[in-house]
Amino acid sequence: DSGVTQTPKHLITATGQRVTLRCSPRSGDLSVYWYQQSLDQGLQFLIQYYNGEERAKGNILERFSAQQFPDLHSELNLSSLELGDSALYFCASSGAGGTYNEQFFGPGTRLTVL
Amino acid sequence: GQSLEQPSEVTAVEGAIVQINCTYQTSGFYGLSWYQQHDGGAPTFLSYNALDGLEETGRFSSFLSRSDSYGYLLLQELQMKDSASYFCAAGYNFNKFYFGSGTKLNVKP
Repeated sequence: DSGVTQTPKHLITATGQRVTLRCSPRSGDLSVYWYQQSLDQGLQFLIQYYNGEERAKGNILERFSAQQFPDLHSELNLSSLELGDSALYFCASSGAGGTYNEQFFGPGTRLTVL
Repeated sequence: GQSLEQPSEVTAVEGAIVQINCTYQTSGFYGLSWYQQHDGGAPTFLSYNALDGLEETGRFSSFLSRSDSYGYLLLQELQMKDSASYFCAAGYNFNKFYFGSGTKLNVKP
């Protein structure tokens, strides 16, 4: 158990809909990262937050947005969903210094868009 | 984004040694990490190299050569439980972080 929690574990929805994925980092971790992993693919870095502020953006679509709240939990919002958005979405957190040589991953949310 | 190259699949037998290579783009690079992911599971951190040389952690070692933009993960005394996907991940300036597409390691008896 990495100490990172993600909800829900599974989500099934229809095209055009909007969903919110939630992540709680390890206690004390200030950085949160979001990743997308499609079937048999690598991890695509989406976005990073550090202590409530956006720190880095990767390959995140404009239909996707995220935020980190004062209690450090984070939410990833996916809108106008398409079939191709079906994937495993991981959240990770790292230490107080913002160092990301080691990230701790949550169990992921499996999103299925029908 | 930056691209990392690693083999898609490697097969080895129990007890053997296997090396998984990773090449990355140099511009803005500052460190290389390795993660293990079992099917259906979350990635777990294995090692990190910011400086040239070998880092050893038990049966696993990781190597970095900044001049060659190259690193590798060395797994010794392979066990069946080592069957998993292994990802290299490179950190770059401006807090960017990119994963390779992963190497699936099959360990056979």
